[in-house]
Parts: sequence; C-alpha cells; structure tokens
Amino acid sequence: AQSVTQPDIHITVSEGASLELRCNYSYGATPYLFWYVQSPGQGLQLLLKYFSGDTLVQGIKGFEAEFKRSQSSFNLRKPSVHWSDAAEYFCAVGDTGNQFYFGTGTSLTVIP
Amino acid sequence: DTGVSQNPRHKITKRGQNVTFRCDPISEHNRLYWYRQTLGQGPEFLTYFQNEAQLEKSRLLSDRFSAERPKGSFSTLEIQRTEQGDSAMYLCGVGNQPQHFGDGTRLSIL
Repeated sequence: AQSVTQPDIHITVSEGASLELRCNYSYGATPYLFWYVQSPGQGLQLLLKYFSGDTLVQGIKGFEAEFKRSQSSFNLRKPSVHWSDAAEYFCAVGDTGNQFYFGTGTSLTVIP
Repeated sequence: DTGVSQNPRHKITKRGQNVTFRCDPISEHNRLYWYRQTLGQGPEFLTYFQNEAQLEKSRLLSDRFSAERPKGSFSTLEIQRTEQGDSAMYLCGVGNQPQHFGDGTRLSIL
C-alpha cells in the first residue's frame, strides 16, 4: 500500500533563509507526487506536482521539489522564505487507480 | 478563489443528528473527491466520483456516510446519526489527482 511520511512535524526558519521540507513515500511503481500548502482554516492549494520526466519540478510561489527514486523522496525547497510562507505543508502520493494519500504535514513557522 | 465552493463553512450539531454538506465546483471537472481532515493530520480519502459515478469508497466511509453527484457537477456528502468521531474538516477536491480544493466544511459534534 502507498504511504507518505513527513518526518518533520514542525520547522522554524528565519525570513530570508532557505527551506527544505522532507517527504518520503512508499509505492511499488513510479508514483505521482504532489506538494500542497494549507493556511489556517483554508483548503489546500497545489504548489507543484511530479508525474514523469525532469526530476526537478518548479511550482508556484518560488517553490521547487526534486524526485529522487533511489531515496524514495520528494523534498520541497525554497531558496528564500517569506513571512507569508508560514502554513502547513502536505506531501501527497497518487496512483493510477485514483487513490490519493497525504502525509501528516509539516507546520512551518517563519520568524522575522 | 479556489474554484470550489463548499457550504456550509461551519456546522455545529448534536450527536445523533443528520448533516449534509455541499460541494460546488465553479467550472466543469470530471473528477470530484471528498476527504476528511482531523486536527493535526493530513486529509484522508473518503470517496471519488468520475462524473456522476461513484467509483471508489474508502473503508473510512461507513454505512452512515453517503455521497452523491447526481448531475456530474455539484456533490453532497451526508452523514447520518452523527457521532463524536465525525468531528473534522470535510474537504472537496476536483480535477485530476485533485488539484483544486474548497475551503472545507468544519463539522463539530456536541
């Protein structure tokens, strides 16, 4: 069965610093991988997705993620964090059967 | 604007009552998903529609839960005889491997 692990429950970074959020997945074939962001009381917004091809994908709001098959990882990165990036971030894996599994999320705090 | 409208935003009800939530995609999408999210957790898959056909249901969707998408556009999720454990945020998503989510309906059971 597919699963997603986000090892970091909570991360704090200074504004302007770089960010990396970790995501590991378990899936038998090549997965579809996603990162979403959720602000308090809001729904999910898709940041980026990986289906195939180039393993480095660019998303909205300056985010990028790299698919590493050997490490079963799909980590999210941003070179310089803004205060407005404070939110909950979810990694998700999907399959061709249309099941879609989310990790437990990483809460990001940005300090001035 | 997420492209998906969910109503109501909040619902408070007594245990044992029935509740119904509605999801209205602003534009046409073949696929529509329902997820449940409890505090501090990621969303959990409940069910999925391809047009009006309900194609998959999670084991989380007990017989007290029913979902419909009668015309392949809006969808409703009904919970009968609500229990304390039903308290959660219910999210609707549309698009391939849901790309657009509504802001959810938060259900609180007294």
